Amino acid sequence: GNSVTQMEGPVTLSEEAFLTINCTYTATGYPSLFWYVQYPGEGLQLLLKATKADDKGSNKGFEATYRKETTSFHLEKGSVQVSDSAVYFCAPLGSGGSNYKLTFGKGTLLTVNP
Amino acid sequence: KAGVTQTPRYLIKTRGQQVTLSCSPISGHRSVSWYQQTPGQGLQFLFEYFSETQRNKGNFPGRFSGRQFSNSRSEMNVSTLELGDSALYLCASSKGQGPDTQYFGPGTRLTVL
Repeated sequence: GNSVTQMEGPVTLSEEAFLTINCTYTATGYPSLFWYVQYPGEGLQLLLKATKADDKGSNKGFEATYRKETTSFHLEKGSVQVSDSAVYFCAPLGSGGSNYKLTFGKGTLLTVNP
Repeated sequence: KAGVTQTPRYLIKTRGQQVTLSCSPISGHRSVSWYQQTPGQGLQFLFEYFSETQRNKGNFPGRFSGRQFSNSRSEMNVSTLELGDSALYLCASSKGQGPDTQYFGPGTRLTVL
């Protein structure tokens, strides 16, 4: 099955700093790739996705590019805000047959200080 | 469009009891997946239902079961609760045709005493 290695946190940044959260995966075939974000006490919100190699997903200033050659999907943001403080999860979606389950990394806690 | 809803939001049970959680998917979505989130194990896949049939299953004991109704609403049941079943249970819905994006509900927080 799929597996994910995600950058260990916690990550603490000052407002307007540059953010990178690394994510690499192993998978059968070419899975769709997702980043989800979880705010305290809430469920997961879709942040962005990419469905094929070299696709760039983007949303709310966050970006991630599907790199097939390095099996990576690193999350970046040029200038973080206090409101970005949350836990971020990288997840490939199974692509074999009808195996449409998400495999999650351990999550990276981001804290942004004013 | 309304999002995924889960009820109840919070539950407190004692060991040995059973519990039923409910999930209503986004209108038009036919697939419902369930995940368990704990501090120790992280997010783990429980099972997925599509058109009232279990299509995929994770590595959980038989105490965990689910079903899906003709309107795509889903329930999961945990029997003979154990302390380790305390977790946030998340449900996600998708169209179910191919590798679609899954949209998550707010979760049900289950505490087993």
